[in-house]
Amino acid sequence: EAGVAQSPRYKIIEKRQSVAFWCNPISGHATLYWYQQILGQGPKLLIQFQNNGVVDDSQLPKDRFSAERLKGVDSTLKIQPAKLEDSAVYLCASSLLPRTGKRSPLHFGNGTRLTVT
Amino acid sequence: SQKIEQNSEALNIQEGKTATLTCNYTNYSPAYLQWYRQDPGRGPVFLLLIRENEKEKRKERLKVTFDTTLKQSLFHITASQPADSATYLCALAGYSSASKIIFGSGTRLSIRP
Repeated sequence: EAGVAQSPRYKIIEKRQSVAFWCNPISGHATLYWYQQILGQGPKLLIQFQNNGVVDDSQLPKDRFSAERLKGVDSTLKIQPAKLEDSAVYLCASSLLPRTGKRSPLHFGNGTRLTVT
Repeated sequence: SQKIEQNSEALNIQEGKTATLTCNYTNYSPAYLQWYRQDPGRGPVFLLLIRENEKEKRKERLKVTFDTTLKQSLFHITASQPADSATYLCALAGYSSASKIIFGSGTRLSIRP
């Protein structure tokens, strides 16, 4: 099966500029996640979608970050305006729909490395 | 708040030996614990999942244990090879389908020939 696709692979912007990342999950995966991974740290969940709806966005800095999932498939994550501390790898992951009592593994893309100067 | 701790220092071992990585957690009662492998410049790749009512899980040269009393999981790679060199992440999730998956910071493993 085709994996999770992300683009762009790398992005360099100046602070206060805006940037957008795109993710195409594995076909049939109802759940989509965006994680932020700062160098030397583990992935931190920003937002979790189940089909079109948001399940968890408690750690998304909503004053500057936004995300949407169109028609329950592709997703975009936007940062506007970017800050220096946003420099990180942004990982998209997808999974089968979690059910109470059953948890499917996450399938990750290779991420977008963002550098804010 | 929920906290996951993994060995912050890199683990260097000789090829052929068993590598043992530790994942400790606090303020959490996970129903599932997962281990992922991450290579430089790549996204994490799923390895194993163990449930709270399982003590041990094996897959080829990999073995995971889960002790809910100690709040700890151990991840073992037997007969280690240089190709096993990577960062290994543990991740926890609750029982509910809405429970988010929380990752530790990972342990970098280096296997020398």
